[in-house]
Amino acid sequence: DAKTTQPNSMESNEEEPVHLPCNHSTISGTDYIHWYRQLPSQGPEYVIHGLTSNVNNRMASLAIAEDRKSSTLILHRATLRDAAVYYCILRDVSVWQGAQKLVFGQGTRLTINP
Amino acid sequence: SQTIHQWPATLVQPVGSPLSLECTVEGTSNPNLYWYRQAAGRGLQLLFYSVGIGQISSEVPQNLSASRPQDRQFILSSKKLLLSDSGFYLCAWSVGSQNQPQHFGDGTRLSIL
Repeated sequence: DAKTTQPNSMESNEEEPVHLPCNHSTISGTDYIHWYRQLPSQGPEYVIHGLTSNVNNRMASLAIAEDRKSSTLILHRATLRDAAVYYCILRDVSVWQGAQKLVFGQGTRLTINP
Repeated sequence: SQTIHQWPATLVQPVGSPLSLECTVEGTSNPNLYWYRQAAGRGLQLLFYSVGIGQISSEVPQNLSASRPQDRQFILSSKKLLLSDSGFYLCAWSVGSQNQPQHFGDGTRLSIL
C-alpha cells in the first residue's frame, strides 16, 4: 500500500472545526483513503473512507483533492472527546488477499483545548 | 449488533512464562480476524490474520502464534514470553469484503517483568 504523511500533532479549541491533513502523493487509482482514530487506552475506531468524491457521515467529513494526492478529515465542531490519534491509511482494493491488512503509521495526535 | 470481546484487559507476566490471549466476536458469521500489537510510543503492527477456521497468516516473524479453533474465536499464544513481547495487543474483525471497516476490541495491555 502507498505511504501517507501526516503532521505529528495538532491542537484546536473545543467547539471549533478541525482540519486534519494527509498527504499521499504516490496514491494509485485503486487506493481508497481510510481514516481511523484511537482514543487513549482504547482500540482504533473507524471514522470514514472515500475514493474520489467528498464523503460525509455522522462523525466527520472527508475532503479529497482533485488529484487525490492529499485529503483532509474535517471534524465540524470538536469536543473534548475528539482528542485522539488520527490515522490516514490507504487501502489498495486491487490487491485482495481475502483479508484487509491495514498499515498504521504514526498518525496525528489531536489535542482539544477547553 | 456485533460485539468483540478481549480478555484480560491487563496482564503482567514474567519472562519465560506462557501466554494465552483470547478474542471472541458475537453477532456475525465467518468474520476476518486480526491480531495487532502496539509497542509503547509506536504505531499498530499487524501480527496475524485469519479468513476462516484453522487458517492463520503471519505477517512478521516473532515469538508468538495464533489459532482460530472456532469461527468467532481467535487466540494469541506464546510458549515463552520475551521482554520484547510487552505491548498493547488488539484484536479486530471485519467482514470479508474490500472496504468494510475493521472493528477493534479494547485491547490487552501486557507487561513482561
